Amino acid sequence: DIQMTQSPSPLSASVGDRVTISCRTSQSISPYLNWYQQKPGKAPKLLIYAASHLQSGVPSRFSGSGSGTDFTLTISSLQPEDFATYYCQQSYSSPRTFGQGTKVEIK
Amino acid sequence: QVQLQESGPGLVKPSQTLSLICTVAGGSITSGDYYWTWFRQPPGRGLEWIGYIYDNETTSYNPSLKSRVIMSVDTSKNQFSLKLSSVTAADTAVYYCTREVAGVVPGATVNWFDPWGQGTLVIVSS
Repeated sequence: DIQMTQSPSPLSASVGDRVTISCRTSQSISPYLNWYQQKPGKAPKLLIYAASHLQSGVPSRFSGSGSGTDFTLTISSLQPEDFATYYCQQSYSSPRTFGQGTKVEIK
Repeated sequence: QVQLQESGPGLVKPSQTLSLICTVAGGSITSGDYYWTWFRQPPGRGLEWIGYIYDNETTSYNPSLKSRVIMSVDTSKNQFSLKLSSVTAADTAVYYCTREVAGVVPGATVNWFDPWGQGTLVIVSS
C-alpha cells in the first residue's frame, strides 16, 4: 500500500494567514493526488483533484501543487469557514489511501 | 446532481453482520463509468477504504477486510449495499458511501471521490 504522510499536524493559524499543508507519498504518484476538506460531523469534500485542478465550486483561495512524492495544498488567505481537517488521497493504486489528516486550528 | 444517502442499524452486536445501504438519488446507478465505494472512519481517526462495486458485479475489497466483506447492487432500487460479517468493537466507525469518478487531465486519466453520503455511525456493542 502507498503510505501518505501529512505535515504539520495540527496547524495553528489566524484568519488571513497563508497556510501550506504538505503531503509526502511513499512512491511517486504524479498526478494521482487529491485533497479533501472535512468538518466535524460531515463527510469529506473534494477540493483539488489531479494535484492541481480546482474542483468546481471551490473558492480560488485553495490551490494544489507538487509532483513525484511531494505535494502541497495552499490556502492563500484563511477564512473562518476554512478551519477544518484536510486530507490528501492517492488514486495511483489500490487500495486507495489517505493521509492521516491535518487539522487547521484557530491560533 | 447526484446525492448519496447511507441507511442501516446504528447498533450491531459483536459477531453479527453489519448491513448498510447507500441510496443514489439524482442519477441512475447504472449510468456512467463509476466505482460505487464504501469508506469508514473510526471516531477521531482517519479514513479507511473498504472497497467498491463496479458495473453491478465487479468488486474489489481492502485486503485487510476482504474475508468479511460483501458488496452488491440493487438496480431496481438504485442502491448499493455493504455487508461486513463477524464484527468486533474495532469495526465501530462512521461509514460513508461515495462514488469514484474518472476524469481526463493533460497527460492522464485520474480518479477522485465525489459526491459523498453524509455518513452513518455504526457502534458494535452488546
